[in-house]
Amino acid sequence: GAVVSQHPSWVICKSGTSVKIECRSLDFQATTMFWYRQFPKQSLMLMATSNEGSKATYEQGVEKDKFLINHASLTLSTLTVTSAHPEDSSFYICSASTRAANEKLFFGSGTQLSVL
Amino acid sequence: TQLLEQSPQFLSIQEGENLTVYCNSSSVFSSLQWYRQEPGEGPVLLVTVVTGGEVKKLKRLTFQFGDARKDSSLHITAAQPGDTGLYLCAGAGNQFYFGTGTSLTVIP
Repeated sequence: GAVVSQHPSWVICKSGTSVKIECRSLDFQATTMFWYRQFPKQSLMLMATSNEGSKATYEQGVEKDKFLINHASLTLSTLTVTSAHPEDSSFYICSASTRAANEKLFFGSGTQLSVL
Repeated sequence: TQLLEQSPQFLSIQEGENLTVYCNSSSVFSSLQWYRQEPGEGPVLLVTVVTGGEVKKLKRLTFQFGDARKDSSLHITAAQPGDTGLYLCAGAGNQFYFGTGTSLTVIP
């Protein structure tokens, strides 16, 4: 099956710093990647959709200047949380889909962000 | 607005009991997926249903897609502690729409 690698698994940072999370598709080309935020025992909240080589599409209420998404290649997308604050602490998950399997999502293992 | 509503939101049962989780929507989906997620990990795909009325079985788990492709159910027979986790349904349309989630705890 398709593998999506997400790093880091967890990160602790000071308030005001920026954190970059990477999402890589290891054995397939991801035409579309999705970034989600999740709180304990709750469902996934879609933050943005990114297609390779184009600007990400952000969901309503998600600050594009705070959550910078780059999808420079078919195997890598990054989410940068800029000037992080404690309220940004959350579990962030990426997923990827391909045209070949456009009705299947392959998920990364998630990143737990804690902002002090 | 959540397109897919799951019920119940939380469920705590004894080992060996049966349970059903529902995923309902007013929208039609071309396919529907069920995922299970454990704390600190990403969701893992359990099944994809495509045809209205389709029933799929995965060991003690039975999945059904509604005739109109608007809803789905997940039935677990003789639940085990290893079934504990967050269950998510997701409908495929113009994008993927996730359900509100069902947190299941199976007590030994």
